[in-house]
Amino acid sequence: GQQVMQIPQYQHVQEGEDFTTYCNSSTTLSNIQWYKQRPGGHPVFLIQLVKSGEVKKQKRLTFQFGEAKKDSSLHITATQTTDVGTYFCAARPLDSNYQLIWGAGTKLIIKP
Amino acid sequence: DAGVIQSPRHEVTEMGQEVTLRCKPISGHDYLFWYRQTMMRGLELLIYFNNNVPIDDSGMPEDRFSAKMPNASFSTLKIQPSEPRDSAVYFCASSPTGSYGYTFGSGTRLTVV
Repeated sequence: GQQVMQIPQYQHVQEGEDFTTYCNSSTTLSNIQWYKQRPGGHPVFLIQLVKSGEVKKQKRLTFQFGEAKKDSSLHITATQTTDVGTYFCAARPLDSNYQLIWGAGTKLIIKP
Repeated sequence: DAGVIQSPRHEVTEMGQEVTLRCKPISGHDYLFWYRQTMMRGLELLIYFNNNVPIDDSGMPEDRFSAKMPNASFSTLKIQPSEPRDSAVYFCASSPTGSYGYTFGSGTRLTVV
């Protein structure tokens, strides 16, 4: 079946360092969504990217959608303790009937 | 809006017992999704509804699982009989259209002993 690869699985950073997670699909996507899940919490919708090459920013978060609409990234500048959690991409293939294909998530851990 | 409301938050039951999980979606959201999350398998879509009608239940693991949506404001996921491998966090999510972001409930943590 269709899969979305998300890397890395974990990323340990010092507070103030940057964080990036990547998602890659073998097939062209209609759109891709990003969610954040705090420890013990539920996924929270962050953003949806639809257009080829699209770049969107939310404060310190920058989201990109690849030109071929097969890959996406989330970059956090100058991480803070409030950024801790797992970040998931959720991709919708072109032939999807509204189903999302979820990445495995990248866990952001702030080193003490 | 209170968001998507799930109950109970935690459920501990013995193997073989029936378990019913409940969900109230956001008013006006036409799509409702049931997900299961485990460390090993991540987020798995079990079933989703559009306008109270089940559209795709291919993710329901076995006949022991069933889901209903009798009206636009209520859905249930039932497991009968429950087994230890059903232990997971079950999330309900809703969306105004199928193509936009989902709002998840707080989840039900199910433990079957």
